Amino acid sequence: TQLLEQSPQFLSIQEGENLTVYCNSSSVFSSLQWYRQEPGEGPVLLVTVVTGGEVKKLKRLTFQFGDARKDSSLHITAAQPGDTGLYLCAGSFNAGGTSYGKLTFGQGTILTVHP
Amino acid sequence: SQTIHQWPATLVQPVGSPLSLECTVEGTSNPNLYWYRQAAGRGLQLLFYSVGIGQISSEVPQNLSASRPQDRQFILSSKKLLLSDSGFYLCALGYQETQYFGPGTRLLVL
Repeated sequence: TQLLEQSPQFLSIQEGENLTVYCNSSSVFSSLQWYRQEPGEGPVLLVTVVTGGEVKKLKRLTFQFGDARKDSSLHITAAQPGDTGLYLCAGSFNAGGTSYGKLTFGQGTILTVHP
Repeated sequence: SQTIHQWPATLVQPVGSPLSLECTVEGTSNPNLYWYRQAAGRGLQLLFYSVGIGQISSEVPQNLSASRPQDRQFILSSKKLLLSDSGFYLCALGYQETQYFGPGTRLLVL
């Protein structure tokens, strides 16, 4: 069974601060996704990383996939109140084509950015 | 691009009543489909997945069931709801090792 440990669980910061969310596992993932979810809505995909060491940027968000493909991080620069929400990491473990596209989710990080 | 529809958006049901939640997708054929439950806005628990019509796999034992009568339709059901069935139910579509989610159904069992 593959597990994803996501930290911190809660993050409350002031507008303009930087933050990093971590996602760690003892398993090697073929790919890893980051989602953002607002209350009462479904998660929205932010990024997919597939190559060890890969770094992707989405405006003020920077995503990194660890070299060994066992961990990932999400860094937000100069956070804004609009960044408030639940951030979820999810890993795909492609076990010889029998995983059926299933994802393993972290428990999420609830981010609150105060104006 | 794929679109995922879920209904109803919100449902309040008494304990012991039946349940039927529907998910339909557009813009793709023969997709992998998934049902998740999310409690208190935290992580997602995979309930069922389907790789084709009539093919259902259950991830956790419970009083819920799923069916896939058509390629782009996925239904979550229960004969008798329990209080513990309350939660936020999400349908997802799998595409290239990534999943895309519908808007969800909020279920409150009283």
